Amino acid sequence: RKEVEQDPGPFNVPEGATVAFNCTYSNSASQSFFWYRQDCRKEPKLLMSVYSSGNEDGRFTAQLNRASQYISLLIRDSKLSDSATYLCVVNTGNQFYFGTGTSLTVIP
Amino acid sequence: DTAVSQTPKYLVTQMGNDKSIKCEQNLGHDTMYWYKQDSKKFLKIMFSYNNKELIINETVPNRFSPKSPDKAHLNLHINSLELGDSAVYFCASSQPSDSEQYFGPGTRLTVT
Repeated sequence: RKEVEQDPGPFNVPEGATVAFNCTYSNSASQSFFWYRQDCRKEPKLLMSVYSSGNEDGRFTAQLNRASQYISLLIRDSKLSDSATYLCVVNTGNQFYFGTGTSLTVIP
Repeated sequence: DTAVSQTPKYLVTQMGNDKSIKCEQNLGHDTMYWYKQDSKKFLKIMFSYNNKELIINETVPNRFSPKSPDKAHLNLHINSLELGDSAVYFCASSQPSDSEQYFGPGTRLTVT
């Protein structure tokens, strides 16, 4: 079983749409959680950390459900520039595990 | 100023050759990593160093040998390259070891 699982997509949504990604993790002792964004042929970059209380950054909202061991990312009012691959990342305290990423394309 | 830099950006070489990829970070981080991203885009950790000491060594062939001359550098040497080694290799750093990672731009290795 993979440490982190994500739906690879692709998700194709029109501009202005709301889209949500989910990610599940297998290690209940995982300590920190992140969403990274990776553009085509570029390096991953931190989008936001995910906290138990949930956190919001502009159009992006991240949530963590420890009981069900899943993490979500909600993007509101999608922009063309949001097109990218979104990687769910979990740290178990001594190692990072990356999901395979979810591909998002925002269509004009 | 580039936070995490890697050289070369592209590397095309023949099977059986030995090659090195260099990584440097100017963020003052204690922890550095090497990741491999294959054609299916799966990003998998290979090695992790903390203050020049190896702390994670995932199941990679021993043809891959990391070297950390100081905590700002983590180089990757690959012996006897194989076709399956073709991938993008990313270096990253973080401080502390469970916080945000900063990635280098990647080295696209093609073995022919």
